[in-house]
Amino acid sequence: AQKVTQAQTEISVVEKEDVTLDCVYETRDTTYYLFWYKQPPSGELVFLIRRNSFDEQNEISGRYSWNFQKSTSSFNFTITASQVVDSAVYFCALVNRDDKIIFGKGTRLHILP
Amino acid sequence: EPEVTQTPSHQVTQMGQEVILRCVPISNHLYFYWYRQILGQKVEFLVSFYNNEISEKSEIFDDQFSVERPDGSNFTLKIRSTKLEDSAMYFCASSELRVEVVYEQYFGPGTRLTVT
Repeated sequence: AQKVTQAQTEISVVEKEDVTLDCVYETRDTTYYLFWYKQPPSGELVFLIRRNSFDEQNEISGRYSWNFQKSTSSFNFTITASQVVDSAVYFCALVNRDDKIIFGKGTRLHILP
Repeated sequence: EPEVTQTPSHQVTQMGQEVILRCVPISNHLYFYWYRQILGQKVEFLVSFYNNEISEKSEIFDDQFSVERPDGSNFTLKIRSTKLEDSAMYFCASSELRVEVVYEQYFGPGTRLTVT
């Protein structure tokens, strides 16, 4: 079975704090892709990152960084020096060769001024 | 930058009525998808479409649903007889032809469907 678990339903942090959003996945496939999407209050889905199962290198993009650990089936997302505009629901997602995205339930992040 | 567009942004309909949600995928993309997000819940896959036919569908995508690419640009989702539980945000997505890798799916802004 394929599954994405985001155990944190809701997180609140004060602006400028760092915050990590957890994502644990399950899949039987050896080839798969992991994604993070952001859903701001306006409702659209904004692509943040794609990572394939053969590339365990961590990635940094500005204040965002991702830690992919195949050994623990985790793909965690860290926002450094958070800003109010980071407030959104963040979805972790998994795709394998059948090409349909399996989303986690999302983590609602509140950045307090 | 090219983007997926969806119309209308919000549709209100009465139970039992038919609705058609419209999407214009990115022009050089060949894979098309519909997803659904009930308010406050996760995004769920409905159907994928390639080469004028359905390639995958979920258990949610029952006989009340159908998809079509009526011309070279539009991709539509029809719900034949809407139920209250069809109220949700519907997202269209498209991706380039997938050869050996899964390409990023680009999502449209969504259509909020409210069934009363």
